[in-house]
Parts: sequence; structure tokens; C-alpha cells
Amino acid sequence: EIVLTQSPGTLSLSPGERASLSCRASQTVSSSDLNWYQQKPGQAPRLLIYAASRRATGIPDRFSGSGSGTDFTLTITRLEPEDSAMYYCLRYGWQYTFGQGTKLEIK
Amino acid sequence: QEQLVESGGGVVQPGGSLTLSCVASAFMLGSFAMCWVRQAPGKGLEWVATNSHDAKSEGYADSVRGRFAISRDNSKNTLYLHLRSLRGEDTALYYCARHYWKNGEGRIDVWGKGTTVIVSS
Repeated sequence: EIVLTQSPGTLSLSPGERASLSCRASQTVSSSDLNWYQQKPGQAPRLLIYAASRRATGIPDRFSGSGSGTDFTLTITRLEPEDSAMYYCLRYGWQYTFGQGTKLEIK
Repeated sequence: QEQLVESGGGVVQPGGSLTLSCVASAFMLGSFAMCWVRQAPGKGLEWVATNSHDAKSEGYADSVRGRFAISRDNSKNTLYLHLRSLRGEDTALYYCARHYWKNGEGRIDVWGKGTTVIVSS
């Protein structure tokens, strides 16, 4: 079973700064199988990135994904207050696995 | 606008059963694999089950295998999750979601708002 470990657990940054969120897999993951989601309190998750680096429809270009193998990164540039949320990576396959999430706080 | 609406949640005693429903609108359920994902209060997302567009293949998380069953009625554009032998740790918000595939790349791209299951005596 593949385990996804996200770091850091919490990230506190200021508006305009850049955030880098990590998702590390316990074994090699195909890039095509790696997604990133944003979830705000009281809301369903929202797809940000699929296939590790492709932005979903309507997602601003401030959001980008990168990585391969076991290490994947979600980068958010020019942070805005509305980016405050939980962020999850997901690997799908025969079994689906979510990371435990990173909480992003915009001070 | 493509939409999923879940229903059927409620309070159930430990050991009890419940069936959740998820109705799709503005797209054909029969063209997509579908998933259930849950979120316990204050916790992260946990995949529960998936079935293929034709219901011929399905997969379950270890935590629910043998107790939960996913099914669908494509003629009614409706996905189901049958929950039995419920435990306190099954208390969660249950989301229905669509798994979209194209050119070998997949993503869970449409989510419902969820329905809450509380297991309590």
C-alpha cells in the first residue's frame, strides 16, 4: 500500500509570498496518477492539479504542480488571503490514497 | 452545470445499516467511474470505494471492505453506498465524487456537498 506524506503540517505565510507544499510517496507513483485538492472549511474539496502538473479548469496560474517518482510539490505564488485552506494530494490506482493534508494560513 | 447531490445520511446505532444515494445531474453517470470519499469530524479525506462506469469493477478501502458495498443504477443516474455493521469510526461526512479519465490521466473532478453519517447509541 502506497502512503503519501505531506509536509509541512501547517504553513503560515504572508500575502504575496510563495508557498511550497510537499507530497512524498512511500514508493514510486506515476505522475499521471497524482492530483492536488484545496478544501476550505465547510466546503467540498476542489481539484487544483491533475497528472502532477496540469492545472484544472478555472484554476489561476498562481497554482502549479511539479515532481515525479516519489516527490511532488504544489507551489502557490503571490499568495492571497483566500488561499487559506487545507491542501491534499491524492494518488489513485487500484487503491486511492490521500495525504494527511497541509494547512496553509495566510497571515 | 454538472452536479452531484447526496442523501440518506443520519444517526444510526452501532451495528446498524444505512444506504446513501447520490444523484448526478448534467452528465451521464454511466460514462464515468464514481467514488465515495469520507471525512471524519476534524480529520482528513479518506477514500472509501470506487466502481467502474459499468459497475463491473469495484474497489474498497481496507477499513470498509466486507461491510460497505458500492452500486449504481445508471438508468436513474444514481450511485449508492450500502453501509452495514456500522462502527463509531464510520461517523463522517460522506462525499460522492466523479472520476474523470482522458488520455491516460485521471482526476476526481466533481464532488457533491456530502451527507453526514453519525454512528451512536
